[in-house]
Amino acid sequence: QSVLTQPPSASGTPGQRVTISCSGSSSNIGSNYVYWYQQLPGMAPKLLIYTNNQRPSGVPDRFSGSKSGTSASLAISGLRSEDEADYYCAAWDDSLSGVIFGGGTKLTVL
Amino acid sequence: QLQLQESGPGLVKPSETLSLTCTVSGGSISSSTYYWAWIRQPPGKGLEWIGSIYYSGSTYYGPSLKSRITISVDTSKNQFSLKLSSVTAADTAVFYCARDTMGGTGSFDYWGQGTLVTVSS
Repeated sequence: QSVLTQPPSASGTPGQRVTISCSGSSSNIGSNYVYWYQQLPGMAPKLLIYTNNQRPSGVPDRFSGSKSGTSASLAISGLRSEDEADYYCAAWDDSLSGVIFGGGTKLTVL
Repeated sequence: QLQLQESGPGLVKPSETLSLTCTVSGGSISSSTYYWAWIRQPPGKGLEWIGSIYYSGSTYYGPSLKSRITISVDTSKNQFSLKLSSVTAADTAVFYCARDTMGGTGSFDYWGQGTLVTVSS
């Protein structure tokens, strides 16, 4: 059971907008930055969003992040088949004194 | 372009110590800006941060493995290493090394390809 809670799965059709949630608490999301990672099948994770809502160079603006209180969300607009992957949120947890990851969400493009 | 490469045995016996090394190329591990991290992923499961180290040797470890891990750095070789003692089958995982951009936040911007370590007799 992860400290950060994500839905195990999400899906959408090409062109749609999908959102993936990440629910935490005051000791993690509520007081620290949130990061999002994309892991394509058989590959290492890739940083997708940093400090809640910033995109690293090269990440399309179809990907966006937001945070409110103790929850965060990743939104993907204009869904493409190549977006089919596992997505993880991450944050520092003050109580655990460590980095924690959500359990991951498997995104299927129908 | 920064690259990280994990190396080490792919098979470790139960109760023994798992040892992995991450070689950094295309940049200096002695950069004052970054930490360097180990992260693992059991087959079919999610990611778990193991710990991070600064080039000076300062470390911070995840709570779940803290009693069994040692992370060290060799700046002369541009490498950092992981030792995980008293392994069991539950430690079977793909181990990734990564650059930790902000030292204690969850921001890892460059990753190695990962290496699968299986714990089995």
